[in-house]
Amino acid sequence: AQTVTQSQPEMSVQEAETVTLSCTYDTSESDYYLFWYKQPPSRQMILVIRQEAYKQQNATENRFSVNFQKAAKSFSLKISDSQLGDAAMYFCAYRNSGGGADGLTFGKGTHLIIQP
Amino acid sequence: DGGITQSPKYLFRKEGQNVTLSCEQNLNHDAMYWYRQDPGQGLRLIYYSQIVNDFQKGDIAEGYSVSREKKESFPLTVTSAQKNPTAFYLCASSIGRARNEQYFGPGTRLTVT
Repeated sequence: AQTVTQSQPEMSVQEAETVTLSCTYDTSESDYYLFWYKQPPSRQMILVIRQEAYKQQNATENRFSVNFQKAAKSFSLKISDSQLGDAAMYFCAYRNSGGGADGLTFGKGTHLIIQP
Repeated sequence: DGGITQSPKYLFRKEGQNVTLSCEQNLNHDAMYWYRQDPGQGLRLIYYSQIVNDFQKGDIAEGYSVSREKKESFPLTVTSAQKNPTAFYLCASSIGRARNEQYFGPGTRLTVT
């Protein structure tokens, strides 16, 4: 079974600064997908960014980028120019791309605080 | 507007009663999922369905049941056998495994006393 670990229960950053959230995972599969989801106080889950394991290039979405290290099974999220609206819980998630069991495996989340 | 709806937002039940949570999507997605979220636990998969009239157990299926009679609907029943049913329940859907993003509904907070 796959596992996802987020070792930082809470992170704090000054507005306009850069912050990196850590995520490691364990799998025996070679082909899979990784995601970062944001959950603001409304509790709506919002997809931030996705990464295909077969792609070496790190995904980028505006101020959000990832550092994907497949050999190390590491998938960190970097938020640049932090804004007050970035304050939320952030969840790292894993999904198999092939056959077998479906669904996302989530980490326990990191609570991101943005200080004005 | 396309999306996923879950109703109601808050649900209260007495212990020993079964309760059904609604999930509807108009995204024409084949696959649908139910997750449970507890404080400090992240989301855990309860059941999923990749096609109408077929569904599979997730990691924590005990005490829950589902049906998938229509592509748009995937209701979850929390039975009296579920030992700790109070939680936040999230429904999600995706086109299928070819496109791997899952889109989530707004969730239902179930409180059982």
